[in-house]
Amino acid sequence: DQQVKQNSPSLSVQEGRISILNCDYTNSMFDYFLWYKKYPAEGPTFLISISSIKDKNEDGRFTVFLNKSAKHLSLHIVPSQPGDSAVYFCAASDRGGADGLTFGKGTHLIIQP
Amino acid sequence: DVKVTQSSRYLVKRTGEKVFLECVQDMDHENMFWYRQDPGLGLRLIYFSYDVKMKEKGDIPEGYSVSREKKERFSLILESASTNQTSMYLCASSFQGLARADTQYFGPGTRLTVL
Repeated sequence: DQQVKQNSPSLSVQEGRISILNCDYTNSMFDYFLWYKKYPAEGPTFLISISSIKDKNEDGRFTVFLNKSAKHLSLHIVPSQPGDSAVYFCAASDRGGADGLTFGKGTHLIIQP
Repeated sequence: DVKVTQSSRYLVKRTGEKVFLECVQDMDHENMFWYRQDPGLGLRLIYFSYDVKMKEKGDIPEGYSVSREKKERFSLILESASTNQTSMYLCASSFQGLARADTQYFGPGTRLTVL
């Protein structure tokens, strides 16, 4: 059973506009959430994280929003740039547990010129 | 800057061969992980280790084993490679903070092809 779901396998956005990537989770014990970015033939790169005590975390063009009641988080990229084209993985963890990170299947973001 | 290195970027092996994938991290992290990434399946955890000589099975350990003799090095072993083990293998490490679930830092990956 998938505990972290990214329901959009791909997303196409015009350069300069906002990209919104979504992630849903089912495990109510998750209390730490991360986004990773991955280019082909490279390892994932940590992008941004959020703890469950917050509902928003911002880092430059990247903002992650967490809605605990809906078990939903989203990553906003504003403005989108060509270099943002990559696969984005959502990950979650129970920091009191021992299972490490649980990853979603990823969303391929394509930024069109 | 966290650095996680993997011994090979690309590897081609034959069915039945024993395969060693090596991973080294230079940040004195306690935790180390091995994942495989396949299209449409995301990242799946094979094994992880939270201390030297310690290992834990992940979600898909079958056909794999691991070794952690030193803190900085975590090896993934395919005892008898099969074609369904063709994949991108990713190593990661993390600092053992509050629990075993802190931010993980990944190596560049090894693209393994088993013929």
